[in-house]
Amino acid sequence: EVQLVESGGGLVQPGGSLRLSCAASGFTFSSYWMHWVRQAPGKGLVWVSRINSDGSSTSYADSVKGRFTISRDNAKNTLYLQMNSLRAEDTAVYYCARASDGWFDPWGQGTLVTVSS
Amino acid sequence: QSVLTQPPSVSGAPGQRVTISCTGSSSNIGAGYDVHWYQQLPGTAPKLLIYGNSNRPSGVPDRFSGSKSGTSASLAITGLQAEDEADYYCQSYDSSLSGSRVFGTGTKVTVL
Repeated sequence: EVQLVESGGGLVQPGGSLRLSCAASGFTFSSYWMHWVRQAPGKGLVWVSRINSDGSSTSYADSVKGRFTISRDNAKNTLYLQMNSLRAEDTAVYYCARASDGWFDPWGQGTLVTVSS
Repeated sequence: QSVLTQPPSVSGAPGQRVTISCTGSSSNIGAGYDVHWYQQLPGTAPKLLIYGNSNRPSGVPDRFSGSKSGTSASLAITGLQAEDEADYYCQSYDSSLSGSRVFGTGTKVTVL
């Protein structure tokens, strides 16, 4: 079964850091581009970042550029999102998702990040 | 931040047909990029519903159908059922944006 499981969310103070992980199983992780998408409470989906299959190319939404870093370890079948200088507006459920020709499938169950003092 | 516009809500009685529009521009849907649709049931992660404008993944009922024309796309649900009550999002690619992936504003479908 193709599966993505996020972890690492929690409560962090403004200006703090957090690293999210996304463990992949059931498919050849190293063959796929991967993405992070977030959803603030009661709001819609917002694309955050993507990384290509070998980790050599990344891209970010303007709202997180310079603060967030996406990476992957293909040997561990794991995707990461390092989040620094966190702001209240970064509060959201963060989903990892596998990319296939432009669409996202599957998605992980999500991990909640709360930025608050 | 969303560049794809959807109606905030649509509703229908069981068995009826409802449609959800997704309006973009010349830098995304109008440029020929594919549209994909996701269903998000309450408290769960989004699930792929339609890919490549009109294709259903295995396991998705044929009550769900997608189409695209010009700068817009649509999702239709025929024979509406109680379990279809959810949020629906369109998604595409936008050549003018950093990273380029964009989602619609989302539509809440209510079964009366």
